Formats: sequence, structure tokens, C-alpha cells
Amino acid sequence: AQSVTQPDIHITVSEGASLELRCNYSYGATPYLFWYVQSPGQGLQLLLKYFSGDTLVQGIKGFEAEFKRSQSSFNLRKPSVHWSDAAEYFCAVSGTYKYIFGTGTRLKVLA
Amino acid sequence: DTAVSQTPKYLVTQMGNDKSIKCEQNLGHDTMYWYKQDSKKFLKIMFSYNNKELIINETVPNRFSPKSPDKAHLNLHINSLELGDSAVYFCASSQADRGSEAFFGQGTRLTVV
Repeated sequence: AQSVTQPDIHITVSEGASLELRCNYSYGATPYLFWYVQSPGQGLQLLLKYFSGDTLVQGIKGFEAEFKRSQSSFNLRKPSVHWSDAAEYFCAVSGTYKYIFGTGTRLKVLA
Repeated sequence: DTAVSQTPKYLVTQMGNDKSIKCEQNLGHDTMYWYKQDSKKFLKIMFSYNNKELIINETVPNRFSPKSPDKAHLNLHINSLELGDSAVYFCASSQADRGSEAFFGQGTRLTVV
């Protein structure tokens, strides 16, 4: 069955520190993977996506993610977190006419 | 110019009422979706439409009836609202191929009292 797991429900980091959000997926065929961010009261905004080619993908707002097929992972990283990065982050895999989301990771940033 | 717009943004209503949420996209996408986000932020697919045809109905109670009058619109009508229907409902759209990302509306926060 297709699924996405985000093991960390909450993560707290200090401003300026590095960040890694974990995502594991289960998908039988070639996965198409996405990271979205949701700020409070807002819709979801795409940070980046992977569907082929280079396994390290760059996104908006200084985020990057690395696809590792052997580990079924697609972890999101940022070298230096800003206070405005505090939000909910969702990893997703696209299926047939649907996107399957993980349960999300809430990021808190300490000043 | 908003890509995916849904109205209203907030909806407070009493149990047993019937309500509708409207969604429009101006991206020229073929596929549109309704997602439900519960209080724990979990996003679950409810329906997907491709070229006005229903593709996915993910075990949603038949009190929920989507309607797609054309490719740019996908509305959601809910009959006999229940307390458990309280959630944020998101409309989204995408191209039909799996490699395309979905674009989301701002969400409609439905509160049933």
C-alpha cells in the first residue's frame, strides 16, 4: 500500500541552527515525492519535488531534500533556520489521481 | 490573481444544516481534489475529478456530494451536517500526470455546532 511516514510530530530548533525533517515512503513504482509547507491559517505551498534525475533537489526558501531509494527516504534539510520557517511541513507521494500525505511535522523556532 | 480559490474561508453552522463550499482554479488543470484536514492536521483525500469525471471517492459518507460543472470548478455540498464534519477542507488542482504538483486553495474552516 502507498504510504508516507513522518516520524517526528514536533521539532524545535534554534534560529540559525540546521534542520532535517524525516520522511519515509512506501510506493511500489517510481515515487514522485513532494514537500509542502503550511503556515497557520494558510493553504499548502510547495517547497520542492522529486521525480527523477539528481537525487538532491533544491527548493524555495533555501530548502533542499535528498532522495535515497535504498532507504525509501526523502528528508528535507535547511542549513540555517529562520524564525519565519515555523510552520507545519508535509511530505507527500503522488499516486493515481491523488496525493498521499504524511502526518506532518510541526516546526518551532526558538529566537 | 489567485490560482485556486475557495469560498467561504470560514463557515459556522448548526448540526443538520446543508452547506456548500465552492472552488475555482485558473491554472488550466485537468484534475481537481477535495481534501479534509482534521484537528491533528492529517490530510486525507476525499474526492478527485479529472476532466469533470469522478475518479476517486475515498469512502466518504454520501452526505458529501461533489459537483464539477466544468474543469475549472469543483464544488462540495454537504447535507445534514454532523459535529464530526468540523475540519478544514482544502480544494486543490493539478495536471493529470503524477509528476505534477498540486496547488492548494486557502482552505475552508467548517465548524459545526
